[in-house]
Amino acid sequence: QSALTQPRSVSGSPGQSVTISCTGTSSDVANYNYVSWYQQHPGKAPKVMIYDVNKRPSGVPDRFSGSKSGNTASLTISGLQAEDEAEYYCCSYAGRYTFEFGGGTKLTVL
Amino acid sequence: EVQLVESGGGLVQPGESLRLSCAASGFIASSNYMSWVRQAPGKGLEWVSLIYSGDKIYYADSVKGRFTISRDSPKNTLHLQMNSLRAEDTAVYYCATIQTGRFDDWGQGTLVTVSS
Repeated sequence: QSALTQPRSVSGSPGQSVTISCTGTSSDVANYNYVSWYQQHPGKAPKVMIYDVNKRPSGVPDRFSGSKSGNTASLTISGLQAEDEAEYYCCSYAGRYTFEFGGGTKLTVL
Repeated sequence: EVQLVESGGGLVQPGESLRLSCAASGFIASSNYMSWVRQAPGKGLEWVSLIYSGDKIYYADSVKGRFTISRDSPKNTLHLQMNSLRAEDTAVYYCATIQTGRFDDWGQGTLVTVSS
């Protein structure tokens, strides 16, 4: 069982928006602004899409955005495109140089 | 360009040992935070271990006492020595750089299978 809780799956049609939640505790998500999100296509390594709750690395489309409220972080993908179909993982720093990941959410673009 | 290439995976029996390597290029690994993250077949990501420039080392509870992270600075390589392997250690093992709370660059991973 993963330390952070994500929905198993979400779906949306092209052009729509979807939001993936990531629920932690006062020891991780709520206590640190080091929440990151990773996109993973089948057979590929993960790729960071959001870091520090709401920052995007260069090259990541601005359709991807992140936020946090209390112990829940969220990833929103607007203007869904077919290539966004993938597994998404949240991650939070949990203190003492340790990290926790969520169980992953499969995004299906209908 | 940052590149990370893992090697050393394979099939081992429970209780045996294996040493993974991660060859880094495009940056100086010893000056950066480096980490191992694993992914069991069909499962999610799990942080395993971290080492940073002061040679400070940290492990997930699930591997503490069995795994040892280290680096070979002249060869710009990160290692993970895995002892007393269990079936639940079966996973693809990725090495990754860490930048302010995020796993930035990832290797392609190496598969470790623990089975009798």
